[in-house]
Amino acid sequence: GAGVSQSPSNKVTEKGKDVELRCDPISGHTALYWYRQSLGQGLEFLIYFQGNSAPDKSGLPSDRFSAERTGGSVSTLTIQRTQQEDSAVYLCASSPGLAASTDTQYFGPGTRLTVL
Amino acid sequence: AQSVTQPDIHITVSEGASLELRCNYSYGATPYLFWYVQSPGQGLQLLLKYFSGDTLVQGIKGFEAEFKRSQSSFNLRKPSVHWSDAAEYFCAVGAGGYQKVTFGTGTKLQVIP
Repeated sequence: GAGVSQSPSNKVTEKGKDVELRCDPISGHTALYWYRQSLGQGLEFLIYFQGNSAPDKSGLPSDRFSAERTGGSVSTLTIQRTQQEDSAVYLCASSPGLAASTDTQYFGPGTRLTVL
Repeated sequence: AQSVTQPDIHITVSEGASLELRCNYSYGATPYLFWYVQSPGQGLQLLLKYFSGDTLVQGIKGFEAEFKRSQSSFNLRKPSVHWSDAAEYFCAVGAGGYQKVTFGTGTKLQVIP
């Protein structure tokens, strides 16, 4: 079946603008994760959804970052008033959701965000 | 909270040589450990995982990893590296239940002919 998809694949925006990044998980996966991958920083956890609720949003770097998930499926990560330090690849992953810390996560190809 | 360290940022090996990528974790109880690979232009893919039982775990693409509790390590190994193994490798640790998985900063593997 289809894997995790993310859109757009690339996004270039101007500092101060808002951006929305979309993630379509694998059908039937109840857990969904957002990560940020910056050069030399590895994968930085942002937020984790179990169904439509977020048990752990401890990784969101500031109140400019928010995420939602609707219908237990699609998720949107919104960054308001973007800053240059927000430039990174944003990765989404999903898992069957039996237990977040033991599931295999299936990753999407990522969205490369560039803030000018 | 759990943490994971990958001390080697970049490793270069010759094709056909053996490989060992280091991973050290910090967690008070039995950890859940993973290795993922990110090939150029592709998403991360699970290589193998360890939860309990036999401390030597076999994964895909000929990789294996050994859990050593006394050393808090979960090193990834491959007896003979192929050019297609050039990628970035991430070790990750989970604490159990509905808690997040923490990833290391990755080790970039270069394979020379």
